[in-house]
This record gives sequence, C-alpha cells and structure tokens, in this order.
Amino acid sequence: GENVEQHPSTLSVQEGDSAVIKCTYSDSASNYFPWYKQELGKGPQLIIDIRSNVGEKKDQRIAVTLNKTAKHFSLHITETQPEDSAVYFCAASKLGAGTASKLTFGTGTRLQVTL
Amino acid sequence: DGGITQSPKYLFRKEGQNVTLSCEQNLNHDAMYWYRQDPGQGLRLIYYSQIVNDFQKGDIAEGYSVSREKKESFPLTVTSAQKNPTAFYLCASSRDRDRHTQYFGPGTRLTVL
Repeated sequence: GENVEQHPSTLSVQEGDSAVIKCTYSDSASNYFPWYKQELGKGPQLIIDIRSNVGEKKDQRIAVTLNKTAKHFSLHITETQPEDSAVYFCAASKLGAGTASKLTFGTGTRLQVTL
Repeated sequence: DGGITQSPKYLFRKEGQNVTLSCEQNLNHDAMYWYRQDPGQGLRLIYYSQIVNDFQKGDIAEGYSVSREKKESFPLTVTSAQKNPTAFYLCASSRDRDRHTQYFGPGTRLTVL
C-alpha cells in the first residue's frame, strides 16, 4: 500500500518568513495530493491540493509543488502570520472512477509562527 | 467544517461498553469516511462508504462497526473488542466517486476510563 512520509515534525519560523513542509510517497500510481490544516481540537481543513498533471499550484500565500519522478511534494507558505500556526498534514491518493478516495496521510507538521 | 456535524464533541465511557459516534452531513455527498487520530500518527482510515447500504474496511477496522442506512448519516460504533479506543475520531465526506476532495467534521474525542 501507499506510504507517506512527512518532514519536519515541528517547524518554528518568525512572522514574515517562509515555511516549507516536505512529503514523499511510495506508490507511483498516486495522482492526487491534498494538504490539510488542523487547528487544536478541530477537524482538518483542506487548504490546497494538486493533481499529478500539474507541477505547481498557488493560492495567495500558499503553494504546492510536485515532483513525480522523485515522488515528493512540498507545501510552501510565504509571509507567515501567527494564524498560520497549526498542524499541517499531507496526503496521497489514487484517482479512479468508481472508487471512493482512500487518502494516506503523513504524520503531520506542527508549525509555530513566532512574533 | 462545512456541513458535517459530529456529536458529541467529548465522550466518556467505561471500559467494556460499546459506544456509537454520530456523523451527519447535509452536503449531499455520496462517500463518507471514518478516521482515527492519535498523537504523532496522523490519520488512519477505519471504514468508508461509497454509497448507501455499502461500506468497506479501512486500515484499522478491527473492533469497529459502521452502518450506512441513509445518505446523510454514517455512525461508527466502537465495540468492547477495540483494545485501545481512546482517541480523536474524525468523520469526512466527499462529493462522489470521481472527486476526491474530502471534507472533515469537527471530531469527537472519546475517552475510555
């Protein structure tokens, strides 16, 4: 089955700096890669996702890059703000008609943005 | 959290008792999922359902059971056979079998005393 590794487990940055979280996956057939943000005591919220036919996707201060050859993808947050502090999860899945998506999650990165 | 509700937010049970966690969605989504979250282990899939009256085991189904009698509801029962039931349980749903964006509910924290 799919295995997703996520690094680092904790990340501390100063407000205004950039943050990068990296994930690798094992199944070359995986073609959908979402990122979720989870605040304390709440459910994860989707912040951005990318499909394997695209190498990069950007949404304001958040971007995701995908390297299919190396089987890794990364989340980039620029101009970090205190409200970006949370746990971030990457995930991988195989798109396929007639199947419910089965996401395999990384173990999470706790991001702390300090003033 | 979208239109997915989970209740209660906190649940306490004695060891050996079965307990049922509620998950309801008003998003008209076909697929629903249950995950378990433990510190440092990310989210692990317990059960999922693609359509009413159908469900499949996930990676850690032992000690759990589900039903899907209505499109909007996917309750999870944690049975006494689950050896370590204390955890944060998350329900999710996705629109249909070809769109894989999953939206999560707020979660239920179960503590077994």
